[in-house]
Amino acid sequence: AQSVTQLDSQVPVFEEAPVELRCNYSSSVSVYLFWYVQYPNQGLQLLLKYLSGSTLVKGINGFEAEFNKSQTSFHLRKPSVHISDTAEYFCAVSDRPLFSGGYNKLIFGAGTRLAVHP
Amino acid sequence: AAGVIQSPRHLIKEKRETATLKCYPIPRHDTVYWYQQGPGQDPQFLISFYEKMQSDKGSIPDRFSAQQFSDYHSELNMSSLELGDSALYFCASSFTDSGTSGAYEQFFGPGTRLTVL
Repeated sequence: AQSVTQLDSQVPVFEEAPVELRCNYSSSVSVYLFWYVQYPNQGLQLLLKYLSGSTLVKGINGFEAEFNKSQTSFHLRKPSVHISDTAEYFCAVSDRPLFSGGYNKLIFGAGTRLAVHP
Repeated sequence: AAGVIQSPRHLIKEKRETATLKCYPIPRHDTVYWYQQGPGQDPQFLISFYEKMQSDKGSIPDRFSAQQFSDYHSELNMSSLELGDSALYFCASSFTDSGTSGAYEQFFGPGTRLTVL
């Protein structure tokens, strides 16, 4: 069975500092990996995704993540955070679809609350 | 661009009442997913539909049922509501093209916040 572990429940950081949010997954099959952001009282917005190819994935708002198959990790990074990045971040995994082009359900980690302080 | 629409956005019910949540996917999207996010928790997959047929089932209580209609919108019906059903319910949609090797992401709606008193 798939599972996702987000190693930090909360990450406080000062504005303009770099940040890394850690995510490890376990799965017996090939997977797709995602990072979503959730601002207070809002829905989930996709930051970036890894499907195949280059292990370094760039997303929106200056975020990037690196897929490491040997360490089963997909850590999210940003070189310089802003106050507006304060939000909950979810790592998610999905099995390769049952058929080409399809998607399976997402399994989410418990989330990491990023708090950016001035 | 059009997004996933969920209605209502907020719903307050009493215990043992019923509730119906609606989801309107992005036009041309044929797959709908429902997730439940309890307070301070991660979203949990409930159920999904592809081309109006149930494609996968997660931790959905027997008191809940769902379906996808001919226009691809979906409804989640919840009966005998319990306090523990209070949560944010997300719908997500995607386009599943079985004829290509491409992959299409899930787009999430803003959610319906259900409060059971």
